[in-house]
Amino acid sequence: QKEVEQNSGPLSVPEGAIASLNCTYSDRGSQSFFWYRQYSGKSPELIMSIYSNGDKEDGRFTAQLNKASQYVSLLIRDSQPSDSATYLCAVPLGRGSTLGRLYFGRGTQLTVWP
Amino acid sequence: EPEVTQTPSHQVTQMGQEVILRCVPISNHLYFYWYRQILGQKVEFLVSFYNNEISEKSEIFDDQFSVERPDGSNFTLKIRSTKLEDSAMYFCASSGGTAVKRYTFGSGTRLTVV
Repeated sequence: QKEVEQNSGPLSVPEGAIASLNCTYSDRGSQSFFWYRQYSGKSPELIMSIYSNGDKEDGRFTAQLNKASQYVSLLIRDSQPSDSATYLCAVPLGRGSTLGRLYFGRGTQLTVWP
Repeated sequence: EPEVTQTPSHQVTQMGQEVILRCVPISNHLYFYWYRQILGQKVEFLVSFYNNEISEKSEIFDDQFSVERPDGSNFTLKIRSTKLEDSAMYFCASSGGTAVKRYTFGSGTRLTVV
C-alpha cells in the first residue's frame, strides 16, 4: 500500500513562532520529496523540494529528510499570518513511478495568529 | 512566470451529463497530468500523459474518463456520464522533465454535479 501520512493537525502557532510539519512515507526507495502550500479553494503551490538526507533551507523554510526513517519535515521559522494554509507532503512512490505520479498526504492545516 | 491555464473555473452539471475540462499546459512542457481533490480530502492522481498517450492512470480513472490533446496546446479531461461523486476540484498540471520534477499546477476547475 503506497501511503503518505501527515500529522493531521490542525496546527495553530503565534506569529513569529516556528511551525513544524511532519510527513512519513511508505516506500523506502523514494528519492524525491515535495512540500506544497494550498490556500483554501486554490491549487497546490510548490514551496520546497528535497532529495538528499539532511536539511535544505530556503528563506524561512527548512525541509528535513531522513530516508532511513522514511520521514520528511518542514519547519517554518518566524511564522506569519500569511503562512496560514494547508501544507501538503507529496512523494512519488514505487519504482514504477516515473513520469511524475505524486502521492499526496492529507495535509496539515496551519493557522498563524497575530 | 509561465502558467497552466484551466477553464472553466467552475462548472455545474446535471448527473449523467458529459463534461469536458480544459487545460492549456506550459508551452514547452512535455508531461501532463490530471488530479482531483474532493472537498476535505487528499489530492488524488488521475492520469499522466506523455507523447500523445496515457502513461499511467489510477484506479479512479475508469471508462467514464478520457483525456485528449487535440492540438498543440490544449489538454482535456472528459467525463462521459457524471455522477454525484465526481464533484471535486480538478487540477491540471504539467512538467518539463522526466520523472518527478517541478510540477506546475493550474488554478483548477470546481466541478459540481447536481
